[in-house]
Amino acid sequence: GAVVSQHPSWVICKSGTSVKIECRSLDFQATTMFWYRQFPKQSLMLMATSNEGSKATYEQGVEKDKFLINHASLTLSTLTVTSAHPEDSSFYICSANPGLRTYNEQFFGPGTRLTVL
Amino acid sequence: DQQVKQNSPSLSVQEGRISILNCDYTNSMFDYFLWYKKYPAEGPTFLISISSIKDKNEDGRFTVFLNKSAKHLSLHIVPSQPGDSAVYFCAASAAGYTGANSKLTFGKGITLSVRP
Repeated sequence: GAVVSQHPSWVICKSGTSVKIECRSLDFQATTMFWYRQFPKQSLMLMATSNEGSKATYEQGVEKDKFLINHASLTLSTLTVTSAHPEDSSFYICSANPGLRTYNEQFFGPGTRLTVL
Repeated sequence: DQQVKQNSPSLSVQEGRISILNCDYTNSMFDYFLWYKKYPAEGPTFLISISSIKDKNEDGRFTVFLNKSAKHLSLHIVPSQPGDSAVYFCAASAAGYTGANSKLTFGKGITLSVRP
């Protein structure tokens, strides 16, 4: 099956620093990737849709300048949390859609736990 | 506005019995529905899906039923096993194979506990 990896799996940083999270599709090309965040005991909230070679589409209420998304290749999307603050602490998960091969089925990465001190 | 609702936060079932997880949706544009299973600190794993042109899809112990008129779907797990204990998310999407049209809207999830 399709495999999606994320790096790092966890990160602890000081308030005010920036953190980059990578999402890779290992055995397929993904023209579209998605970034979610999940708070404890809450649903997965879609943050943005990342499209290879074009600008990301952000969901309402998500700050574009705070959560920078770069989808530079068909196998890599990155999410950079800029000037992170404690309220940004969350579980960030990416997913990738292989496209026509599987109708709307998204494959998820293992997630990245971000803790901002 | 929650478009995908999983109103029961938890379910406890005896091993060997049937687990029925329910999901309701409000957006009539949704035409594809998926169930994901998630363990703590891991990404969701795809379980089973159903297109709106069907009312049932079966895969081993997992069956998903769709009632379009009621905007309701359910996941049946028979027989339930202790290893099925996890959080189950219902998700829905509108028409389209790729790009922004394929984004998923998730419910809040149901925590299933299967007692040995």
